[in-house]
Amino acid sequence: EPEVTQTPSHQVTQMGQEVILRCVPISNHLYFYWYRQILGQKVEFLVSFYNNEISEKSEIFDDQFSVERPDGSNFTLKIRSTKLEDSAMYFCASSEGLGSSGGNEKLFFGSGTQLSVL
Amino acid sequence: QKEVEQNSGPLSVPEGAIASLNCTYSDRVSQSFFWYRQYSGKSPELIMSIYSNGDKEDGRFTAQLNKASQYVSLLIRDSQPSDSATYLCASSDSNYQLIWGAGTKLIIKP
Repeated sequence: EPEVTQTPSHQVTQMGQEVILRCVPISNHLYFYWYRQILGQKVEFLVSFYNNEISEKSEIFDDQFSVERPDGSNFTLKIRSTKLEDSAMYFCASSEGLGSSGGNEKLFFGSGTQLSVL
Repeated sequence: QKEVEQNSGPLSVPEGAIASLNCTYSDRVSQSFFWYRQYSGKSPELIMSIYSNGDKEDGRFTAQLNKASQYVSLLIRDSQPSDSATYLCASSDSNYQLIWGAGTKLIIKP
């Protein structure tokens, strides 16, 4: 069964360092997302990406964050200068499409990258 | 502010009983609703989606939607210890962005 894959599963970094989290969405999906979840808290939307550009972003997704789809398969999240409060589980997700016609907006999540900023 | 509200629990249910999970949402224009299951330290996994008023059944799971009351529920019949997890309710807004609840922790006691 196709799945979203994320690497690495764990990332430890020093405050102020740059990190890149990697994702390979499901191959026929068109919409890509990054979410994060701080331990014990809600899943929080960061950004959605379609047709090689950001379609929506949340207040969390400030200038320290960027996303890229450098080739036909990878989707990356870069945090330029990490802060302690960036420590969280970061989930990549993808969907076939948008809208309730046939439910093609259903999200499929990767297993996540646990980011620890020291 | 668009909100999805859930009781955080934990909700403790004996094995074999029916577990009932509830969720309310604030955005009246929401059209799509989802239940995700999340095991500790794992990613959310979609278990049910519902778009129309009424009930939708899939195996041991039944999702119920009442748009007039802005209420979504999930029933799990014949609860198993493997159903113990946090259940996340989400609605899709007019921009098709998911609004997430904080989740209800369900514990199935053998």
